[in-house]
Amino acid sequence: DAKTTQPTSMDCAEGRAANLPCNHSTISGNEYVYWYRQIHSQGPQYIIHGLKNNETNEMASLIITEDRKSSTLILPHATLRDTAVYYCIVRVFSDDKIIFGKGTRLHILP
Amino acid sequence: KAGVTQTPRYLIKTRGQQVTLSCSPISGHRSVSWYQQTPGQGLQFLFEYFSETQRNKGNFPGRFSGRQFSNSRSEMNVSTLELGDSALYLCASSPGGFGGTSYEQYFGPGTRLTVT
Repeated sequence: DAKTTQPTSMDCAEGRAANLPCNHSTISGNEYVYWYRQIHSQGPQYIIHGLKNNETNEMASLIITEDRKSSTLILPHATLRDTAVYYCIVRVFSDDKIIFGKGTRLHILP
Repeated sequence: KAGVTQTPRYLIKTRGQQVTLSCSPISGHRSVSWYQQTPGQGLQFLFEYFSETQRNKGNFPGRFSGRQFSNSRSEMNVSTLELGDSALYLCASSPGGFGGTSYEQYFGPGTRLTVT
């Protein structure tokens, strides 16, 4: 079973920041938080990952709480192309087995 | 750098037949994982190969099998196809390894299999 809990769906206005929450209360010390997204009928796309520090790349920012029991993915300026299902995953860094949950379906509204 | 490629992209088979899907990882990547995606079950892990050895396995029947070649290319085979095997089959590659830094997986576009 997936070790994360995410809202089923969210809406965000185009141009605004999209904040996607994820709970992973049973995360272990050697598990990273990963985010992927899947645009309709395409393969999942890697977005960002982190262990305990906040991370930022050209696509998004990842904020991890100090106790590591939850995190938030931030898309700073959402566009219509960001409409997708977003998956939050925890996995041991050396393990390529990914257990996907249901993810959050993000709708960007024009 | 070229991405993960999967062939064929679309496939229609009949119940009882077998099928072989192919995946070419990103150059230099040694790990290939396979996933099945259906509307009902979502994305499910099938198995992972690293350096021609199966390293991880999901909860699928023995009809689902795979292998990896010395050039890291991988194939998965499904024998005695059932209607429920209709799905999008995705493969993902990563550098692999047994520790050190974390790394991400890169997914291919998938093979859509329809069983009639």
